[in-house]
This record gives sequence, C-alpha cells and structure tokens, in this order.
Amino acid sequence: GAVVSQHPSRVICKSGTSVKIECRSLDFQATTMFWYRQFPKQSLMLMATSNEGSKATYEQGVEKDKFLINHASLTLSTLTVTSAHPEDSSFYICSALAIQETQYFGPGTRLLVL
Amino acid sequence: GEDVEQSLFLSVREGDSSVINCTYTDSSSTYLYWYKQEPGAGLQLLTYIFSNMDMKQDQRLTVLLNKKDKHLSLRIADTQTGDSAIYFCAESNYGGSQGNLIFGKGTKLSVKP
Repeated sequence: GAVVSQHPSRVICKSGTSVKIECRSLDFQATTMFWYRQFPKQSLMLMATSNEGSKATYEQGVEKDKFLINHASLTLSTLTVTSAHPEDSSFYICSALAIQETQYFGPGTRLLVL
Repeated sequence: GEDVEQSLFLSVREGDSSVINCTYTDSSSTYLYWYKQEPGAGLQLLTYIFSNMDMKQDQRLTVLLNKKDKHLSLRIADTQTGDSAIYFCAESNYGGSQGNLIFGKGTKLSVKP
C-alpha cells in the first residue's frame, strides 16, 4: 500500500526556536497533503491543507505565520513551527491524498518544547 | 458543523468479537473510514466504505453502514491482544475540492487474555 514518511519522529527543542517537520509520499505523488495535530487522548484536528505549488489553506484558529507550510514538490510537504512555545508540544501527523481520494497517514512527529 | 461520535472505551476478551460504533451527522458524507492507532504511533487505515454500500468485509473486519441512521460500525472477529489500540471513525465529503477528514474522538479497545 501507499507509504507516507515523516521526519523526524521525535524532536525536543528549546522555547523560541523553530522546528521543521517533513512529510513525504514515498511511492506516489500527492498534490494535496494535510497536517493534523493531536493532543493527548484527543482526536486529530486538521490544521491546514497543503497544495503543491500554491499557498496552504489554514483552518480557523490556526496561525499561518506560526505554522509555515511549504509543498514544494509532489512528494514533499514541510511544516515549520516557528518560535515554538511549550503549548506547541503535541503530536503532528501528516497525510497525503492518493488516487481514489484516500488519505494515507505518516507515522507522526512528537514535538516537545522545553 | 459536521460531527462524529464514538464511545470512548470498549473492553473484550481475547477470541470474542468486538463491535465499535460510530455516528455522524453529515448526510452528504461520501466516504467513511476506520483507522487504528497503536500507542505512540500514527494512524493506520484499516478499511473504508463508500456511502452507497451497506457492508464491507475484509478478513476479520466487517463494516456495516446504516446511511438512514448515519450509523457506522466496525466488527473485529476473533479479537486478539494485538488488536488493542484506539480506533477512529472518520467521514469525508468529496463533493467539493477538499478532502479533509472529520474524526471521532476514538474508541480505546482493550483486549483481555
């Protein structure tokens, strides 16, 4: 089946620094990728829709200047958490939209901001 | 807005069948999904069903859809300890150009030996 990877799987950073998370579709091209955030014991919340070659579409309440998304190619989308704060600590999951409109999820990135 | 509801916990004995239920509100849902999340891991797509189907079976998994009542269920036959995980129900409407999913809060399945 389709495979989506994320890197890094875990990251610890100091408050005020920026962290970049990569999402790659390994065996298919994805013009659309999604970024989700999951708080402990809660469901996933869609943050933004990433479209190759155009600006991302952010969900209400998500700061686009804080969560920078770049979808530079058909197999790579990046999420950069800028000026990270402890409240940004979370589990970030990306997904890529394949044919037949099915999303395939990456394994997630756990971010801890100290 | 759209909403997806699931019970939060389910406990079964190994070898029994598990049934996880889900209700949704969006009558224009076209695809409904079941995802599995093991501790500390991402989501794994288990199965999905088109809204014009009533049932889909895939090995130990059976999905039933009652579109009239907007009710979806996932039955796991011969449940094993390795099935212990959180199961998310999700729906989407691909009528437009978006493909974002609306997730339920997840049902934590505990399988006792």
